[in-house]
Amino acid sequence: QLQLQESGPGLVKPSETLPLTCTVSGASISSGSYYWGWIRQPPGKGLEWLGSIYYSGITYYNPSLKSRVTISIDTSKNQFSLKLSSVTAADTAVYYCARHTCTNGLCSPGDHWGQGTLVTVSS
Amino acid sequence: DIVMTQTPISSPVTLGQPASISCRSSQSLVHSDGNTYLSWLHQRPGQPPRLLIYKISNRFSGVPDRFSGSGAGTDFTLKISRVEAEDVGIYYCTQATQFPWTFGQGTKVEIK
Repeated sequence: QLQLQESGPGLVKPSETLPLTCTVSGASISSGSYYWGWIRQPPGKGLEWLGSIYYSGITYYNPSLKSRVTISIDTSKNQFSLKLSSVTAADTAVYYCARHTCTNGLCSPGDHWGQGTLVTVSS
Repeated sequence: DIVMTQTPISSPVTLGQPASISCRSSQSLVHSDGNTYLSWLHQRPGQPPRLLIYKISNRFSGVPDRFSGSGAGTDFTLKISRVEAEDVGIYYCTQATQFPWTFGQGTKVEIK
């Protein structure tokens, strides 16, 4: 059974970099049919797509984050990661990792999700 | 960016009665490959979202057949034929036809 699990610090200081990792179990992250990505949800608010990555390293990012986002993948560990730089209080959110089923790079988002991890940006 | 607008924002429903949620996109979601990458997600309180419907009308694995999706172009609808207690929560439409992927603001379904 496919499972995704986010890990990382629950508290990050303003201006620092937020690092999160998603560990995938029950399936290979190298499967050609899927992209893997990050979606966040500020407390009490809606969903925001941050970006997605293919096992080959192809990435797509949300331009609203103005190049602060980097997503990487480690197929040997069956993990992918998020780095969000120069964080502010506005980046406080539950961060979800998710799998997306895709054909030729076109996807239906979020067929499997992690439980999410709350990251608070505060000094 | 494509803006996704859902109506209503809140929907009190009676158990066993139908419910309907609309989603409108600011531009057509028909991709040049002929597909429309419009999906519906359901989020229960304290839980991650889960996929219900993809490409307008395809139910994801394990989703009860009381859920159905329809629509075309810029106008889409999610229908629940008979609402059950486990259906409460927030429903989101989302588009992946064009980057960046975007979501509707959500519709809260609650039992009267």
